[in-house]
Amino acid sequence: EAQVTQNPRYLITVTGKKLTVTCSQNMNHEYMSWYRQDPGLGLRQIYYSMNVEVTDKGDVPEGYKVSRKEKRNFPLILESPSPNQTSLYFCASSLFGGNLNEQFFGPGTRLTVL
Amino acid sequence: SQKIEQNSEALNIQEGKTATLTCNYTNYSPAYLQWYRQDPGRGPVFLLLIRENEKEKRKERLKVTFDTTLKQSLFHITASQPADSATYLCALRASNYQLIWGAGTKLIIKP
Repeated sequence: EAQVTQNPRYLITVTGKKLTVTCSQNMNHEYMSWYRQDPGLGLRQIYYSMNVEVTDKGDVPEGYKVSRKEKRNFPLILESPSPNQTSLYFCASSLFGGNLNEQFFGPGTRLTVL
Repeated sequence: SQKIEQNSEALNIQEGKTATLTCNYTNYSPAYLQWYRQDPGRGPVFLLLIRENEKEKRKERLKVTFDTTLKQSLFHITASQPADSATYLCALRASNYQLIWGAGTKLIIKP
């Protein structure tokens, strides 16, 4: 089944404790992206990747890191999480980065930073 | 700055009627616009894409219009069903391979 998977689905952590949220897609998509979704706000892009070893900042990259060593994986790293990073996070992929293609979203990761 | 607005209040529609959702944008001239559906606790799911040179796009009971003069897109669901209840998001392509998203409108179809 074609899909985007994220792990973990739920995470409660404390300020400053490094964490990684994994994202994997099995559709051979070139473009992958991370978003956060907060109440009353639209999806805001954190980072995106046009292809392997190519990553770019989105609108809200502060406090986050990403890597794209393989086409299928695009982990999101929070080196020192803070409470303002409490949010619902989505990974998405699409065939190419031109955005004429629909984006496929993962199930989401609900992160709480205490 | 670029801005997208969708009705923040929930839209309540009687089953069988047509639901119409609005997406307005400012300071922007997008090449295309996408609509997604999001159910609680799940990721958005793509529904339709409409290009700037297309006035209307249809898919089964769904219809999207795109008025670049009014800077507005309308999303219609005809013969609405309770299963259509969800939050609907619109998204516009930014200039640098990014999408800008509206906050979404929650649609409730009452039996």
